[in-house]
Amino acid sequence: AQTVTQSQPEMSVQEAETVTLSCTYDTSESDYYLFWYKQPPSRQMILVIRQEAYKQQNATENRFSVNFQKAAKSFSLKISDSQLGDAAMYFCAYTPGTYKYIFGTGTRLKVLA
Amino acid sequence: GAGVSQSPSNKVTEKGKDVELRCDPISGHTALYWYRQSLGQGLEFLIYFQGNSAPDKSGLPSDRFSAERTGGSVSTLTIQRTQQEDSAVYLCASFQAAPHTDTQYFGPGTRLTVL
Repeated sequence: AQTVTQSQPEMSVQEAETVTLSCTYDTSESDYYLFWYKQPPSRQMILVIRQEAYKQQNATENRFSVNFQKAAKSFSLKISDSQLGDAAMYFCAYTPGTYKYIFGTGTRLKVLA
Repeated sequence: GAGVSQSPSNKVTEKGKDVELRCDPISGHTALYWYRQSLGQGLEFLIYFQGNSAPDKSGLPSDRFSAERTGGSVSTLTIQRTQQEDSAVYLCASFQAAPHTDTQYFGPGTRLTVL
């Protein structure tokens, strides 16, 4: 069965510091797509970053980058220079390329001023 | 519209009542999802609409749940004879093409509380 696991229910980071959120997944597929979504208190999910499994290069979007380890089935999100506005729930998601997404249970990120 | 909208934002109902939740996707988006987000849980897939194809209803938890999409646009999720375990945030998302190459745009959700 395909699963997505986020083992950190909550994380804290000092403003301007760097934090890494963990995500592991299980699949027998060789080609698939991974995502990190942010859900602020407004509840509206926002795509932060996506990674195609066939690409070896880690995706980067401004202060957000991923460490994609395909063999280890690991997909962590690094947030650099953390800002107060980064405080939110972060969800890791997987799709094998169909329309079915599998989401992790989320990590609540607190940013301390 | 500028984004995906959902109404109502919050809904409190009594056990046994029926509720209707509405989703207005982004104009032109052919695909639409409904998800359920329970406290401390991730997103649970409920149903998927793509164009004129038959929807994938495999995620609906019971026959009390149904959804329709009229004219390929607005979608309504109906829960009949609500139970306390139905309390959750119901999220809608739409996108234009293949989900792995195009961004899913989410609405702000409807928080349903069943007393």
